[in-house]
Amino acid sequence: DAKTTQPNSMESNEEEPVHLPCNHSTISGTDYIHWYRQLPSQGPEYVIHGLTSNVNNRMASLAIAEDRKSSTLILHRATLRDAAVYYCILRGIRQAGTALIFGKGTTLSVSS
Amino acid sequence: DAGVIQSPRHEVTEMGQEVTLRCKPISGHDYLFWYRQTMMRGLELLIYFNNNVPIDDSGMPEDRFSAKMPNASFSTLKIQPSEPRDSAVYFCASSPAGISGLAGVTDTQYFGPGTRLTVL
Repeated sequence: DAKTTQPNSMESNEEEPVHLPCNHSTISGTDYIHWYRQLPSQGPEYVIHGLTSNVNNRMASLAIAEDRKSSTLILHRATLRDAAVYYCILRGIRQAGTALIFGKGTTLSVSS
Repeated sequence: DAGVIQSPRHEVTEMGQEVTLRCKPISGHDYLFWYRQTMMRGLELLIYFNNNVPIDDSGMPEDRFSAKMPNASFSTLKIQPSEPRDSAVYFCASSPAGISGLAGVTDTQYFGPGTRLTVL
């Protein structure tokens, strides 16, 4: 399985944008880039996913590099509720319905 | 929909006792997953089902662990006998995963709030 690399931790101030990077240099052409996050004392929750084009939803934006070897999850205005562990996960089309493989993720701290 | 429901939310038991964790997936989801989270090992799969049939139980630690899915709306994870090293947070997740025509691949998993198990 293609591997992802994320910084262990990042800090942000409230109401500022946050850019969470993920490197995946061995990504294959059919791998989707998924992001989940885990708030304190909760189960992981889906954030966003994409294949090639940048994606936006109500929670975040996903910017995918042209060569797809890296991506960035963008929180446009961080709030205290965004403090969580963020996981970047690659999913091949044939992996649909199989287990998610979580790395250590990036722990985001948000200060007021 | 209420989302994935797990019970109990917290369980404290003594070594050697039987523990049963319960999960109700989101209605209509064909896949159900059991994960365990510890500080040392992070989040890891224990077992998952498709249409109530176990597909991959390679993550089940040993024979003390068993999981069942008697119908589409209920699953249990049982530990008998429990040991202190089983202390962890156990998550259940469900997914409507599959190829869904023009929508493409549907692969999102929806997690429950977890059961925090402490074995003394």
